[in-house]
Amino acid sequence: EDQVTQSPEALRLQEGESSSLNCSYTVSGLRGLFWYRQDPGKGPEFLFTLYSAGEEKEKERLKATLTKKESFLHITAPKPEDSATYLCAVQASSGGGADGLTFGKGTHLIIQP
Amino acid sequence: NAGVMQNPRHLVRRRGQEARLRCSPVKGHSHVYWYRQLPEEGLKFMVYLQKENIIDESGMPKERFSAEFPKEGPSILRIQQVVRGDSAAYFCASSTQLNTGELFFGEGSRLTVL
Repeated sequence: EDQVTQSPEALRLQEGESSSLNCSYTVSGLRGLFWYRQDPGKGPEFLFTLYSAGEEKEKERLKATLTKKESFLHITAPKPEDSATYLCAVQASSGGGADGLTFGKGTHLIIQP
Repeated sequence: NAGVMQNPRHLVRRRGQEARLRCSPVKGHSHVYWYRQLPEEGLKFMVYLQKENIIDESGMPKERFSAEFPKEGPSILRIQQVVRGDSAAYFCASSTQLNTGELFFGEGSRLTVL
């Protein structure tokens, strides 16, 4: 069974204090790893797709990286508007018709001014 | 708003009643997914549909739950004889491509069963 574990569950940072969120996964053949952002009361918003170990993607203050066992979401000099829950998800290349994503429980990030 | 539209946003039902949740995908998207988010839990995949076809329903309970995406109109997630454990946020997502994890999510329908 595919599994995604995110840590920490919650993280409180000062504005400008850089940090990293972790996503560990086990999957029977990785088709893709995805990062989403979810604000309270809203649906998830897509951020990044990573397909193979060594790949990196960047968007503003966020950078996502991937190894064979985990992914990191690095946040550089965060601002209060970066406060959200960040979700990691994997899609398996199982070939069995299972097209859904397996999500972690998320990291709740709070950036204090 | 050209995004995924879900309604109702909030729904209250008593045990044993039926709940119908509707989802209109992004215009031009032909792939629809339903996910459930229980309190303190991650999003769980339920079902993946294309127009008039269920492609993968491996995450949907066999009893009481059904989904459709007709040729015309929104996708419907139907829960019959609701129980308290069905209380959750139900999210719909859509995409243009097959087998993609890059999904556009709606804002969710929050079901409360009394």
